[in-house]
Amino acid sequence: SQKIEQNSEALNIQEGKTATLTCNYTNYSPAYLQWYRQDPGRGPVFLLLIRENEKEKRKERLKVTFDTTLKQSLFHITASQPADSATYLCALERAGNMLTFGGGTRLMVKP
Amino acid sequence: DVKVTQSSRYLVKRTGEKVFLECVQDMDHENMFWYRQDPGLGLRLIYFSYDVKMKEKGDIPEGYSVSREKKERFSLILESASTNQTSMYLCASRQGLAGPSSTDTQYFGPGTRLTVL
Repeated sequence: SQKIEQNSEALNIQEGKTATLTCNYTNYSPAYLQWYRQDPGRGPVFLLLIRENEKEKRKERLKVTFDTTLKQSLFHITASQPADSATYLCALERAGNMLTFGGGTRLMVKP
Repeated sequence: DVKVTQSSRYLVKRTGEKVFLECVQDMDHENMFWYRQDPGLGLRLIYFSYDVKMKEKGDIPEGYSVSREKKERFSLILESASTNQTSMYLCASRQGLAGPSSTDTQYFGPGTRLTVL
């Protein structure tokens, strides 16, 4: 069956460091993958989309990579700030006009 | 900016009650979705609609129904609420169809935290 895995354990890093979050998937061949940010008690907010033919995408301090051979996406936040603390979700496009979401990884950036 | 609103942020209901969760979007989007989010399970799709009066089952439709009488409004109905339906419910909308050339993303509402006692 199709499966998306994100590290369920919180990632704790020091302010200024680069945070790297991982999204692994099996039994998918998604045409694209998306990353969302979710703050406590709020709905997810879209951050970045990367297509299967793109290796890397950047937006300000954010960078996403997409390796269709490894079936993995990495999400990087450079020069992290306490305000980046949130849960980050990856989502894969699947047939039938739908997205499937991973369980999310909580990031804590300490000052 | 796209705005997706949900009728309640917090709701407490009793087992067996009929529950309506309302979602409204203001950007004339074709597609609307209902998810539930539970710790350790992530977001799971309950139902979605790609047009007025059209609906498709998601991954966990049992115990739920939906209604889309107007383009901007998508309602989730719990016919007879049960304690295992205690969850955070999230509505989302998207302009077009998914696909390799699509750049459309989903816009989420703030969520309704439903507790069924």
